[in-house]
Amino acid sequence: ETGVTQSPTHLIKTRGQQVTLRCSSQSGHNTVSWYQQALGQGPQFIFQYYREEENGRGNFPPRFSGLQFPNYSSELNVNALELDDSALYLCASSRTSGRATDTQYFGPGTRLTVL
Amino acid sequence: GQQLNQSPQSMFIQEGEDVSMNCTSSSIFNTWLWYKQDPGEGPVLLIALYKAGELTSNGRLTAQFGITRKDSFLNISASIPSDVGIYFCAGHANFGNEKLTFGTGTRLTIIP
Repeated sequence: ETGVTQSPTHLIKTRGQQVTLRCSSQSGHNTVSWYQQALGQGPQFIFQYYREEENGRGNFPPRFSGLQFPNYSSELNVNALELDDSALYLCASSRTSGRATDTQYFGPGTRLTVL
Repeated sequence: GQQLNQSPQSMFIQEGEDVSMNCTSSSIFNTWLWYKQDPGEGPVLLIALYKAGELTSNGRLTAQFGITRKDSFLNISASIPSDVGIYFCAGHANFGNEKLTFGTGTRLTIIP
């Protein structure tokens, strides 16, 4: 069974640039959630994707957007990068059936540094 | 954003000692989870709790879902060097379970 994978591992961008982060969900999972983890903090929920649509969103501005593909993989896009966007971005996959989503399993994360 | 209150913030213990940490919320949660995160890695699920009052073990780890649904604790018995890391509690506040709210973390260090 393949776990959650993310790419790239590390990324350095400058203010104002745009970035795309990628996530492949665990085998058998159909739902992807994205979290931002600043240094020394717990992860903060950005949004979740199920059936290729956004299914819940945390307190993040519209310049954070996402996509889910038919194979359940997902992208997180951040436009107009700010210094405060520097963080570890975590993807978690889970299985949704009916109205409920099962336990979320996390990937290793992408470390984004904005200069 | 909202975070669960987790304590203690850090612990320094000797190998072989037992560890206890807890997590509280001002609102009800329907699921409580405990994760461990090593430096540069994503959180790894340790224990999941789905019912108020539930007590669940995973090897040397034991966790409980508080009766009020506003708290949870994690105990680690007979700590070993690989227990070092940051422990996070997390919970789902709604039945759709799309959003996980995380605690502030407890950093565990083992003194040689």
